[in-house]
Amino acid sequence: DTEVTQTPKHLVMGMTNKKSLKCEQHMGHRAMYWYKQKAKKPPELMFVYSYEKLSINESVPSRFSPECPNSSLLNLHLHALQPEDSALYLCASSQRGWDEQYFGPGTRLTVT
Amino acid sequence: AQSVTQLDSQVPVFEEAPVELRCNYSSSVSVYLFWYVQYPNQGLQLLLKYLSGSTLVESINGFEAEFNKSQTSFHLRKPSVHISDTAEYFCAVTSNSGGYQKVTFGTGTKLQVIP
Repeated sequence: DTEVTQTPKHLVMGMTNKKSLKCEQHMGHRAMYWYKQKAKKPPELMFVYSYEKLSINESVPSRFSPECPNSSLLNLHLHALQPEDSALYLCASSQRGWDEQYFGPGTRLTVT
Repeated sequence: AQSVTQLDSQVPVFEEAPVELRCNYSSSVSVYLFWYVQYPNQGLQLLLKYLSGSTLVESINGFEAEFNKSQTSFHLRKPSVHISDTAEYFCAVTSNSGGYQKVTFGTGTKLQVIP
């Protein structure tokens, strides 16, 4: 199984809502990532988890809160987002920190 | 520090014609290089990668890329494109210093195959 799954596929939320994005992989990868991608732009790294520990936070605002409950799951908790946070949120995983990354299909987030 | 330059933001090409998507990088250390493809409303998929060994790497769907250390390039080529190749292509680089190394993506090239 070389698949990374993400739920939901689409999410519309108001600025006062709390929601969560979920990501799952069963490839035994020990590194997992959250990216934000705006239209016609490359992915921007947000967070890196290595062996279930947060190893990199790219100065992301605190309204985004990542969580790694176990080696297969990655969550991104959202609270009090702004309209400019609307984007495609991609999860990825890799076996080693420098190796190819396997991406999920993404969650299309719209903040109203 | 490392950087990736994809000079062409869009490349239109007729079906069955050859194509080259250009990628240049800069880095003070040795690198690993990747090409990812992104179809509309999907995540990125690895197309091919260069880690070491032969400088010419190939994908299963007819793409190839050649690592040129002296020119710091990793251009992607296909001799005959199909409509289904229409997508966004990202070149990416990471250093081979071990541990976690941040991936730097280029700005992407939109390949538009014209019937």
